Amino acid sequence: NAGVTQTPKFRILKIGQSMTLQCTQDMNHNYMYWYRQDPGMGLKLIYYSVGAGITDKGEVPNGYNVSRSTTEDFPLRLELAAPSQTSVYFCASSYTLDSGTGELFFGEGSRLTVL
Amino acid sequence: RKEVEQDPGPFNVPEGATVAFNCTYSNSASQSFFWYRQDCRKEPKLLMSVYSSGNEDGRFTAQLNRASQYISLLIRDSKLSDSATYLCVVNAPDTGRRALTFGSGTRLQVQP
Repeated sequence: NAGVTQTPKFRILKIGQSMTLQCTQDMNHNYMYWYRQDPGMGLKLIYYSVGAGITDKGEVPNGYNVSRSTTEDFPLRLELAAPSQTSVYFCASSYTLDSGTGELFFGEGSRLTVL
Repeated sequence: RKEVEQDPGPFNVPEGATVAFNCTYSNSASQSFFWYRQDCRKEPKLLMSVYSSGNEDGRFTAQLNRASQYISLLIRDSKLSDSATYLCVVNAPDTGRRALTFGSGTRLQVQP
C-alpha cells in the first residue's frame, strides 16, 4: 500500500496564482485532513472530511477550498495565492478518531512558496 | 490560551540520559491523547497513544493527569536516533470538530 500520497512535493507560486494540492489514500479511510505547518509551529487544521461528499472547516480555512468526491481523494485548492500561504502542507487520513484509537497517517508534505 | 502548549526546547541531552516532556491542554472535554514524532523536514508519525492509567512502550512512558490537564512523555536511555520534535496531540470533542489539535512540539537533540 502506498498510504497517503501528496503531489506536488514542492511548488513556487506567484502572488495571485491558483493551484491545487492533490491528496489520495489507498487505505479506505473515512476521515481525511489538510494541515499546514509554518516554521517552528504546530500543525494547523485547514479543512477536514468525514466521508465522501462531506467537508468542514478547520481553524484556518480562509483562502482555501476542498472537495471530497471519492473516499480516496481530497484535493486542496488555493485561490489567489498570498505570501501568508507559504508553508508546508500535510494531508492526512484516519479510519476513525473515536475512542482514542484513531491514528493519523500523513503524506510526505507539500512545500509551497508564494513570492 | 493555546489549546495545546508545549515547551519548544530544544532539550540537549547526552546519550543514555533520561528526559521528560510535558504538555498542557485547555479543553477539559478532551478524551484522546497522543504523542507524535516528527523528524526534520518529514511528516509526523504516531509514537504512542496516552491512556488514563499511563502506558509504556519500551523506553518510552506516557502519563496523563486529567485533574491538571497535562500529559507527559518520558524517554529513558536516550539514543541518537531519538533526536526529533515530539508533538503533543489531543482531540476537541465539544467543538464538533472531528480532528486532532497539535501542539507546536518540543525539540530533542541527543548528543554523543
